[in-house]
Amino acid sequence: ETGVTQTPRHLVMGMTNKKSLKCEQHLGHNAMYWYKQSAKKPLELMFVYSLEERVENNSVPSRFSPECPNSSHLFLHLHTLQPEDSALYLCASSRTGHSYNEQFFGPGTRLTVL
Amino acid sequence: GQSLEQPSEVTAVEGAIVQINCTYQTSGFYGLSWYQQHDGGAPTFLSYNGLDGLEETGRFSSFLSRSDSYGYLLLQELQMKDSASYFCAPGNTPLVFGKGTRLSVIA
Repeated sequence: ETGVTQTPRHLVMGMTNKKSLKCEQHLGHNAMYWYKQSAKKPLELMFVYSLEERVENNSVPSRFSPECPNSSHLFLHLHTLQPEDSALYLCASSRTGHSYNEQFFGPGTRLTVL
Repeated sequence: GQSLEQPSEVTAVEGAIVQINCTYQTSGFYGLSWYQQHDGGAPTFLSYNGLDGLEETGRFSSFLSRSDSYGYLLLQELQMKDSASYFCAPGNTPLVFGKGTRLSVIA
């Protein structure tokens, strides 16, 4: 499999549930990203990992917890979410964490919090 | 601080030319990128301007003027499949995406 993959593609969860989103890239990249995309809002950067180290955390609530066990995998652990967290969560990767590098996006996970 | 302005919606006729403008203010700047996103799809990279001037890739061109903090995406010979949202992203580390311009191509 090539490119950036995300699982699951759709997720419905209650506010008391704990779930995890998974992202995997097969491009040999060293940087990975989590974005949130809500209706009629810009892409919001959540976390950046470069060489498995978190280099950016954009004031994301602690109910979102990222994990990067290696340069190919990125997780977003979710717990006690709120309905306003319902959105499309996109993972991306790039060769390095520098902004001039093209970012390759996965298809996203459509999350609904009930 | 950072700010980014691009039109929210543009409508153009099939076969025409359309220009999507982007003005930005960022602390630190490493060029301007453009991404396309179709409804239900993921953003895909279109172009990057690291220096002033015009970059051409097929029907799409992108322009940057760093002194004016301004750039644009030019789409020529519009096709129905070009209907999508287009995001400019001034390069800081990391990228900052704008709200996007929704382009509707009509027959």
